[in-house]
Amino acid sequence: ETGVTQTPRHLVMGMTNKKSLKCEQHLGHNAMYWYKQSAKKPLELMFVYNFKEQTENNSVPSRFSPECPNSSHLFLHLHTLQPEDSALYLCASSQSSLGGNYGYTFGSGTRLTVV
Amino acid sequence: SQQGEEDPQALSIQEGENATMNCSYKTSINNLQWYRQNSGRGLVHLILIRSNEREKHSGRLRVTLDTSKKSSSLLITASRAADTASYFCAAKTSYDKVIFGPGTSLSVIP
Repeated sequence: ETGVTQTPRHLVMGMTNKKSLKCEQHLGHNAMYWYKQSAKKPLELMFVYNFKEQTENNSVPSRFSPECPNSSHLFLHLHTLQPEDSALYLCASSQSSLGGNYGYTFGSGTRLTVV
Repeated sequence: SQQGEEDPQALSIQEGENATMNCSYKTSINNLQWYRQNSGRGLVHLILIRSNEREKHSGRLRVTLDTSKKSSSLLITASRAADTASYFCAAKTSYDKVIFGPGTSLSVIP
């Protein structure tokens, strides 16, 4: 257990469904991140939150909608996804949004399959 | 092109042997990090080496950094079957971006 918990571990959804991914960290970190990991591609940073304010959105399609109600919780709301959105979605946290200074703590990920 | 690129893409060794993975990057960095990922799981932070450091050790791990060649290597000594995983380098650039490479898949055969 890393201190970053993601639920659910697996999710299968249709293209017209609406679902949410949840991430919770118990490390007292102030920054949280969503990453997408597709087969044979490097990790793609999607969103960054620092002290629950969004500080980065890497041109992510609007069908992905993040929410950060506090520094410990992060959600990724999904709607009208495409099959190419199938991937492993990883949540990470760090002491600050300068997470690169210390490294990231990752959750175990949600394996998303869009059918 | 990618900031961090690991080499080789895949590596297969016998248990007890040493495994060496390399990472190259293109711009100036503040630090370079190595992560391990077991199949279908999240990444685990292994070690971080800062740009003013040349070598760092953690248990059976040894990381080197050569900023003149823009490269880093991760050495795992006396490998075990449990070391089977994908290994990623992540370069923290001087403009505060952290960019991950595509990873090296390591198989340690018992």
